[in-house]
Amino acid sequence: EAQVTQNPRYLITVTGKKLTVTCSQNMNHEYMSWYRQDPGLGLRQIYYSMNVEVTDKGDVPEGYKVSRKEKRNFPLILESPSPNQTSLYFCASSLRGRADEQYFGPGTRLTVT
Amino acid sequence: SQQGEEDPQALSIQEGENATMNCSYKTSINNLQWYRQNSGRGLVHLILIRSNEREKHSGRLRVTLDTSKKSSSLLITASRAADTASYFCATYNNDMRFGAGTRLTVKP
Repeated sequence: EAQVTQNPRYLITVTGKKLTVTCSQNMNHEYMSWYRQDPGLGLRQIYYSMNVEVTDKGDVPEGYKVSRKEKRNFPLILESPSPNQTSLYFCASSLRGRADEQYFGPGTRLTVT
Repeated sequence: SQQGEEDPQALSIQEGENATMNCSYKTSINNLQWYRQNSGRGLVHLILIRSNEREKHSGRLRVTLDTSKKSSSLLITASRAADTASYFCATYNNDMRFGAGTRLTVKP
């Protein structure tokens, strides 16, 4: 089944404790991205990647890191999480790029205390 | 930053009625997409309309685009309880921008 998977789905952590949210897609998509969703603000893009080893900042990259060592994986790293990073995070992928239909993962609900 | 703004923010209708949601945006676009999100889940792509298209249909969905007014509408006909979800428009012009969504409730 064609899909985008994220792990973990739920995470509660404390300020400053490094964490990684994994994202994987099995559709051989070139483009992958991370969004955060907060009430009233819609989805805001954190980082995106047009291809392996190519990543770029989105609208809200501060406090986040990403890497794209393999085409299928695009992990999101929070080196030192803070409470303002409490949010619902989505990974998405598309075949060719940002203009295309995006396929979203199920989301990761992160709480930083 | 948001580009599209959905209107209304929330809509409640009875099963069988039609639901219309609107999206307005500020700058020119290459395409506009509509997505559905069931509570707390990932977004699901519904339909993409290009800037040179005026109307598209997919099953019970009808999307219109008026580039002169910088607006789009999503019509869901003969709504069902399963259509209860949030609906987002996303505009693309070098970047993709999502609106804050319309929360649709369809009462059985």
